[in-house]
Amino acid sequence: NAGVTQTPKFQVLKTGQSMTLQCAQDMNHEYMSWYRQDPGMGLRLIHYSVGAGITDQGEVPNGYNVSRSTTEDFPLRLLSAAPSQTSVYFCASSSMPEIYGYTFGSGTRLTVV
Amino acid sequence: GIQVEQSPPDLILQEGANSTLRCNFSDSVNNLQWFHQNPWGQLINLFYIPSGTKQNGRLSATTVATERYSLLYISSSQTTDSGVYFCAVGFTGTASKLTFGTGTRLQVTL
Repeated sequence: NAGVTQTPKFQVLKTGQSMTLQCAQDMNHEYMSWYRQDPGMGLRLIHYSVGAGITDQGEVPNGYNVSRSTTEDFPLRLLSAAPSQTSVYFCASSSMPEIYGYTFGSGTRLTVV
Repeated sequence: GIQVEQSPPDLILQEGANSTLRCNFSDSVNNLQWFHQNPWGQLINLFYIPSGTKQNGRLSATTVATERYSLLYISSSQTTDSGVYFCAVGFTGTASKLTFGTGTRLQVTL
């Protein structure tokens, strides 16, 4: 199935726990990004990657780590979850953003208690 | 600073009505997308339109890049059009990073 796959769809964490949100795409896209969406707001960029081995920070990177060891996968790590990280997380990918735009996954709803 | 502003913030329509949503942006862009977020939270890509005009069924979009705005037209609205519409732009030189507006919340009633 072509597209951007995010797992899990829902997750509840306790403060201080760690976890990894998974994002995979099978379209051989070089560009991948992570966004978070807080209630009543648009999406904000956390981290992005322009190819395997290359990552950079977005608008709200604090508290999150990423790596890009393969073209297909772009995991987002929360090392020590905080209630402020309660949000819906979206992953996106593109072959050439300035020509084709981005395709988004279905999101992961994370609650930190 | 870099900004993406959408208007109106909220819109209530009766089924069958037409509407125009606006997106203003503060700098030149080489990526602009319109998304519909349905009540289940899914982001649906409507248009990739950094310039020009496109149509897809009852929806159409126009971007006038030189004047830094884009319009999304919804004709003969249906209840399934309800949700939040987002404009997202990639500014020139940073096309790999999308900046989202705060959205227009649309409710279509019977």
